[in-house]
Amino acid sequence: AQSVTQLDSHVSVSEGTPVLLRCNYSSSYSPSLFWYVQHPNKGLQLLLKYTSAATLVKGINGFEAEFKKSETSFHLTKPSAHMSDAAEYFCVVSDLYNQGGKLIFGQGTELSVKP
Amino acid sequence: KAGVTQTPRYLIKTRGQQVTLSCSPISGHRSVSWYQQTPGQGLQFLFEYFSETQRNKGNFPGRFSGRQFSNSRSEMNVSTLELGDSALYLCASSLGGQGIPEAFFGQGTRLTVV
Repeated sequence: AQSVTQLDSHVSVSEGTPVLLRCNYSSSYSPSLFWYVQHPNKGLQLLLKYTSAATLVKGINGFEAEFKKSETSFHLTKPSAHMSDAAEYFCVVSDLYNQGGKLIFGQGTELSVKP
Repeated sequence: KAGVTQTPRYLIKTRGQQVTLSCSPISGHRSVSWYQQTPGQGLQFLFEYFSETQRNKGNFPGRFSGRQFSNSRSEMNVSTLELGDSALYLCASSLGGQGIPEAFFGQGTRLTVV
């Protein structure tokens, strides 16, 4: 069975400082991994995806994530936080070849950015 | 290219009633999935439709059902509403074919059951 654990329910950083949102996954198959962001009263927006082409994945708005199979981790980082980054972030795992498009979401990490 | 459109955006229903939510996927996308988002349970998978066939189903009671039309538009129906059905219902569309397709989400329908 597949699962995702986001290690922090809330992260607070100051504007201009680095962001680290942690995610561990469990998957019986070669996983596809995603990070989505949700701003208040909005739908989910895809930040980036890992599909085994490269372990370091670059996404939109300066975010990137590194797939580490030995640690079963897929942490999201950004060198310098901006006020507009304040939102909820979801780590997602999927085995689309066998699960017919089913996405499994972590519980989310709320990111606060202080001026 | 238009995004995923969900209607209505907000709904208030009474316990025991039924409700139908609609989702229009991105043009050319054949897969539509539905998710329920609540503060307590987070985002949970309801079901996925591909080319008018239900391809996968989550662990929800039979009161939750869906269908997909030949133009890929999808509807989700919840019968005999309970207070616990209050949630944000999100629809996602993807190409659904070979490879790892990205899922694009609509803004959701906020359902409140009173």
